[in-house]
Amino acid sequence: DQQVKQNSPSLSVQEGRISILNCDYTNSMFDYFLWYKKYPAEGPTFLISISSIKDKNEDGRFTVFLNKSAKHLSLHIVPSQPGDSAVYFCAASMIYNQGGKLIFGQGTELSVKP
Amino acid sequence: GAGVSQSPSNKVTEKGKDVELRCDPISGHTALYWYRQSLGQGLEFLIYFQGNSAPDKSGLPSDRFSAERTGGSVSTLTIQRTQQEDSAVYLCASSSSGRASYFGPGTRLTVT
Repeated sequence: DQQVKQNSPSLSVQEGRISILNCDYTNSMFDYFLWYKKYPAEGPTFLISISSIKDKNEDGRFTVFLNKSAKHLSLHIVPSQPGDSAVYFCAASMIYNQGGKLIFGQGTELSVKP
Repeated sequence: GAGVSQSPSNKVTEKGKDVELRCDPISGHTALYWYRQSLGQGLEFLIYFQGNSAPDKSGLPSDRFSAERTGGSVSTLTIQRTQQEDSAVYLCASSSSGRASYFGPGTRLTVT
């Protein structure tokens, strides 16, 4: 039972354009959502998070949107840069019930072309 | 400051042998997690330690897997009688309560 899903295994974007990565979840008990970036042979790097009491969080070029009614979140990267090319994982947790244990999506490989 | 460190970075072992993987979390982080990523797969939760509470072992795939955390800091993940399907990258993460988890570089385990 995949509670967190990233339905696009890959995404290709031109440098300077917007990258939009999507994530869907099924468990309405999730109250904290995160995005991680992963390069080959490295551990995931935390990018940005959002609490379920918010619908948007912005940090520089990265913005995460949360639509609780649709159980959907997205990560926007604008403008995209070649160095953003990596695998992006969304993750969800139930902070108050299960601490910071994360349930991850399968990942989306982003390729930003110069 | 220092991040999460893991050792060894790579481990090749023969089927049936036991292995131990080590994680040093970020100092002061009360929570520690183990995940693994098999080839072509996402990250799979294994076990979670929070302070002095009983660990959440709900993700361990079999009783060949165990982990301990000594003194609220260093953790060791032990896999007994390794099988080829245990081959994966084992990732450790730590966090302060209610905040994002920070991951180590992982240990790549290959069972031959």
